Amino acid sequence: DTAVSQTPKYLVTQMGNDKSIKCEQNLGHDTMYWYKQDSKKFLKIMFSYNNKELIINETVPNRFSPKSPDKAHLNLHINSLELGDSAVYFCASSPQGGVRNSPLHFGNGTRLTVT
Amino acid sequence: AQSVSQHNHHVILSEAASLELGCNYSYGGTVNLFWYVQYPGQHLQLLLKYFSGDPLVKGIKGFEAEFIKSKFSFNLRKPSVQWSDTAEYFCAVKDDKIIFGKGTRLHILP
Repeated sequence: DTAVSQTPKYLVTQMGNDKSIKCEQNLGHDTMYWYKQDSKKFLKIMFSYNNKELIINETVPNRFSPKSPDKAHLNLHINSLELGDSAVYFCASSPQGGVRNSPLHFGNGTRLTVT
Repeated sequence: AQSVSQHNHHVILSEAASLELGCNYSYGGTVNLFWYVQYPGQHLQLLLKYFSGDPLVKGIKGFEAEFIKSKFSFNLRKPSVQWSDTAEYFCAVKDDKIIFGKGTRLHILP
Protein backbone atom coordinates (compact mmCIF):
# COMPACT_ATOMS: atom_id res chain seq x y z
CA ASP A 1 0.00 0.00 0.00
CA THR A 2 1.20 3.51 -0.70
CA ALA A 3 1.42 5.38 2.55
CA VAL A 4 3.39 7.14 5.20
CA SER A 5 4.22 4.57 7.84
CA GLN A 6 5.63 5.13 11.30
CA THR A 7 6.97 2.71 13.85
CA PRO A 8 6.33 2.09 16.61
CA LYS A 9 2.70 3.06 17.05
CA TYR A 10 3.05 3.19 20.83
CA LEU A 11 6.18 3.85 22.84
CA VAL A 12 6.30 3.82 26.63
CA THR A 13 9.62 4.55 28.26
CA GLN A 14 11.21 6.03 31.34
CA MET A 15 12.72 9.44 31.80
CA GLY A 16 16.34 9.67 30.75
CA ASN A 17 16.13 6.98 28.09
CA ASP A 18 16.99 7.43 24.43
CA LYS A 19 14.48 6.34 21.81
CA SER A 20 13.94 6.49 18.07
CA ILE A 21 10.85 6.72 15.89
CA LYS A 22 11.07 5.66 12.28
CA CYS A 23 9.16 7.00 9.30
CA GLU A 24 9.02 5.82 5.74
CA GLN A 25 7.00 7.00 2.78
CA ASN A 26 6.60 5.22 -0.52
CA LEU A 27 4.70 8.01 -2.21
CA GLY A 28 7.76 9.32 -4.02
CA HIS A 29 7.53 12.61 -2.16
CA ASP A 30 10.49 14.95 -1.85
CA THR A 31 9.69 16.52 1.49
CA MET A 32 9.14 14.97 4.90
CA TYR A 33 8.17 16.47 8.23
CA TRP A 34 7.88 15.74 11.92
CA TYR A 35 5.03 17.28 13.86
CA LYS A 36 4.32 17.06 17.57
CA GLN A 37 0.72 16.96 18.81
CA ASP A 38 0.32 17.68 22.50
CA SER A 39 -2.45 16.62 24.85
CA LYS A 40 -4.57 19.59 23.76
CA LYS A 41 -4.32 18.42 20.13
CA PHE A 42 -2.13 21.37 19.19
CA LEU A 43 0.05 20.48 16.18
CA LYS A 44 3.47 22.04 15.94
CA ILE A 45 6.03 21.50 13.24
CA MET A 46 9.42 20.32 14.45
CA PHE A 47 11.50 19.56 11.37
CA SER A 48 11.28 19.38 7.62
CA TYR A 49 13.63 17.70 5.16
CA ASN A 50 13.67 18.13 1.41
CA ASN A 51 15.63 15.48 -0.46
CA LYS A 52 17.59 14.59 2.68
CA GLU A 53 18.41 18.22 3.39
CA LEU A 54 17.16 19.92 6.55
CA ILE A 55 15.09 22.96 5.57
CA ILE A 56 13.02 23.68 8.66
CA ASN A 57 14.24 23.38 12.21
CA GLU A 58 11.86 24.95 14.67
CA THR A 59 12.73 25.75 18.23
CA VAL A 60 13.17 22.20 19.40
CA PRO A 61 15.55 21.02 22.16
CA ASN A 62 18.86 19.62 20.96
CA ARG A 63 17.81 16.30 22.44
CA PHE A 64 15.72 15.83 19.30
CA SER A 65 17.74 14.89 16.25
CA PRO A 66 16.21 14.00 12.89
CA LYS A 67 18.04 11.82 10.43
CA SER A 68 17.19 11.31 6.79
CA PRO A 69 19.24 8.53 5.17
CA ASP A 70 17.32 9.01 1.91
CA LYS A 71 14.34 11.01 0.77
CA ALA A 72 11.95 8.19 1.62
CA HIS A 73 12.96 8.01 5.27
CA LEU A 74 12.98 10.50 8.11
CA ASN A 75 13.74 9.15 11.56
CA LEU A 76 13.54 11.00 14.85
CA HIS A 77 15.92 10.25 17.67
CA ILE A 78 15.28 11.61 21.13
CA ASN A 79 17.92 11.65 23.85
CA SER A 80 17.39 11.93 27.59
CA LEU A 81 13.62 11.76 27.40
CA GLU A 82 11.62 14.05 29.68
CA LEU A 83 8.04 13.92 30.91
CA GLY A 84 7.16 16.87 28.69
CA ASP A 85 8.11 14.88 25.61
CA SER A 86 4.97 12.79 26.02
CA ALA A 87 2.87 13.48 22.96
CA VAL A 88 1.82 12.02 19.64
CA TYR A 89 4.46 12.48 16.97
CA PHE A 90 3.29 12.57 13.37
CA CYS A 91 5.44 12.07 10.36
CA ALA A 92 4.20 13.61 7.11
CA SER A 93 5.30 14.04 3.53
CA SER A 94 4.38 16.22 0.60
CA PRO A 95 5.18 16.03 -3.12
CA GLN A 96 7.19 19.25 -3.26
CA GLY A 97 7.67 21.19 -0.08
CA GLY A 98 8.29 24.41 -1.93
CA VAL A 99 5.07 24.15 -3.90
CA ARG A 100 2.46 25.85 -1.80
CA ASN A 101 -0.58 23.91 -2.82
CA SER A 102 0.84 20.48 -2.09
CA PRO A 103 -0.91 19.08 0.98
CA LEU A 104 0.58 16.90 3.65
CA HIS A 105 0.09 13.16 3.85
CA PHE A 106 0.31 12.01 7.45
CA GLY A 107 1.42 8.81 9.07
CA ASN A 108 -0.69 7.22 11.78
CA GLY A 109 1.31 8.75 14.58
CA THR A 110 3.47 7.45 17.40
CA ARG A 111 2.10 7.92 20.89
CA LEU A 112 5.08 8.48 23.16
CA THR A 113 4.54 8.21 26.91
CA VAL A 114 7.40 9.07 29.21
CA THR A 115 7.04 7.88 32.79
CA ALA B 1 4.98 35.31 10.41
CA GLN B 2 1.80 33.63 9.36
CA SER B 3 -0.67 32.37 11.94
CA VAL B 4 -4.02 30.64 12.00
CA SER B 5 -6.85 31.17 14.46
CA GLN B 6 -9.74 28.86 15.03
CA HIS B 7 -12.24 30.51 17.29
CA ASN B 8 -14.42 27.53 18.14
CA HIS B 9 -12.56 25.17 20.42
CA HIS B 10 -15.41 22.78 21.03
CA VAL B 11 -18.64 22.54 19.06
CA ILE B 12 -21.56 20.26 19.88
CA LEU B 13 -24.33 19.73 17.34
CA SER B 14 -27.17 17.37 16.74
CA GLU B 15 -27.30 15.25 13.62
CA ALA B 16 -28.66 17.07 10.56
CA ALA B 17 -27.67 20.46 11.96
CA SER B 18 -25.67 22.81 9.76
CA LEU B 19 -22.03 23.40 10.56
CA GLU B 20 -19.72 26.34 10.21
CA LEU B 21 -16.26 26.33 11.76
CA GLY B 22 -14.35 29.59 11.76
CA CYS B 23 -10.80 30.03 10.56
CA ASN B 24 -8.86 33.25 10.21
CA TYR B 25 -5.30 33.57 9.04
CA SER B 26 -2.69 36.23 9.29
CA TYR B 27 -0.49 36.46 6.25
CA GLY B 28 0.05 39.20 3.73
CA GLY B 29 1.16 37.20 0.72
CA THR B 30 -0.42 34.58 -1.51
CA VAL B 31 -2.02 32.06 0.76
CA ASN B 32 -2.64 28.41 0.44
CA LEU B 33 -5.25 27.16 2.86
CA PHE B 34 -6.26 23.72 4.01
CA TRP B 35 -8.72 21.98 6.25
CA TYR B 36 -7.73 18.68 7.78
CA VAL B 37 -9.82 16.27 9.83
CA GLN B 38 -8.59 13.92 12.54
CA TYR B 39 -11.02 11.18 13.53
CA PRO B 40 -10.60 9.76 17.04
CA GLY B 41 -7.37 7.82 17.31
CA GLN B 42 -6.42 8.42 13.69
CA HIS B 43 -4.07 10.58 11.69
CA LEU B 44 -4.92 13.80 9.92
CA GLN B 45 -6.59 13.60 6.54
CA LEU B 46 -7.05 16.36 4.00
CA LEU B 47 -10.64 17.57 3.63
CA LEU B 48 -10.06 20.32 1.10
CA LYS B 49 -7.61 22.96 -0.02
CA TYR B 50 -7.58 26.35 -1.67
CA PHE B 51 -4.76 27.94 -3.60
CA SER B 52 -6.40 29.96 -6.39
CA GLY B 53 -9.52 30.28 -8.50
CA ASP B 54 -13.06 29.81 -7.23
CA PRO B 55 -13.08 30.91 -3.58
CA LEU B 56 -15.76 28.32 -2.78
CA VAL B 57 -13.98 25.00 -2.48
CA LYS B 58 -15.68 21.62 -2.37
CA GLY B 59 -14.07 18.86 -0.36
CA ILE B 60 -14.73 15.28 0.56
CA LYS B 61 -17.68 14.04 2.63
CA GLY B 62 -19.89 17.00 1.74
CA PHE B 63 -17.64 19.66 3.25
CA GLU B 64 -16.94 23.00 1.63
CA ALA B 65 -15.03 26.13 2.57
CA GLU B 66 -15.12 29.71 1.38
CA PHE B 67 -12.05 31.88 1.05
CA ILE B 68 -12.88 35.51 1.78
CA LYS B 69 -9.77 37.53 1.19
CA SER B 70 -11.12 40.76 2.67
CA LYS B 71 -11.87 38.98 5.94
CA PHE B 72 -8.77 36.79 5.96
CA SER B 73 -11.13 33.89 6.54
CA PHE B 74 -11.52 30.33 5.32
CA ASN B 75 -14.53 28.94 7.15
CA LEU B 76 -15.53 25.31 6.86
CA ARG B 77 -19.16 24.42 6.26
CA LYS B 78 -21.41 21.42 5.92
CA PRO B 79 -25.18 21.75 5.44
CA SER B 80 -26.14 18.65 7.41
CA VAL B 81 -23.74 16.88 9.77
CA GLN B 82 -23.70 13.21 10.64
CA TRP B 83 -22.64 11.39 13.78
CA SER B 84 -19.60 10.12 11.87
CA ASP B 85 -18.37 13.72 11.50
CA THR B 86 -17.34 13.69 15.15
CA ALA B 87 -13.65 14.56 14.97
CA GLU B 88 -11.04 17.26 15.43
CA TYR B 89 -10.84 19.79 12.58
CA PHE B 90 -7.71 21.76 11.77
CA CYS B 91 -7.36 24.79 9.56
CA ALA B 92 -3.89 25.35 8.12
CA VAL B 93 -2.02 27.90 6.03
CA LYS B 94 1.09 27.18 4.00
CA ASP B 95 3.94 29.38 2.94
CA ASP B 96 7.30 27.66 3.34
CA LYS B 97 5.75 25.37 5.92
CA ILE B 98 2.27 24.42 7.00
CA ILE B 99 1.05 26.12 10.16
CA PHE B 100 -1.96 24.60 11.87
CA GLY B 101 -4.64 26.23 13.97
CA LYS B 102 -5.30 24.84 17.43
CA GLY B 103 -8.15 22.72 16.18
CA THR B 104 -11.89 22.55 16.79
CA ARG B 105 -13.35 19.51 18.45
CA LEU B 106 -16.67 18.69 16.85
CA HIS B 107 -19.04 16.41 18.69
CA ILE B 108 -22.20 15.26 16.93
CA LEU B 109 -25.02 13.96 19.08
CA PRO B 110 -26.89 10.99 17.59
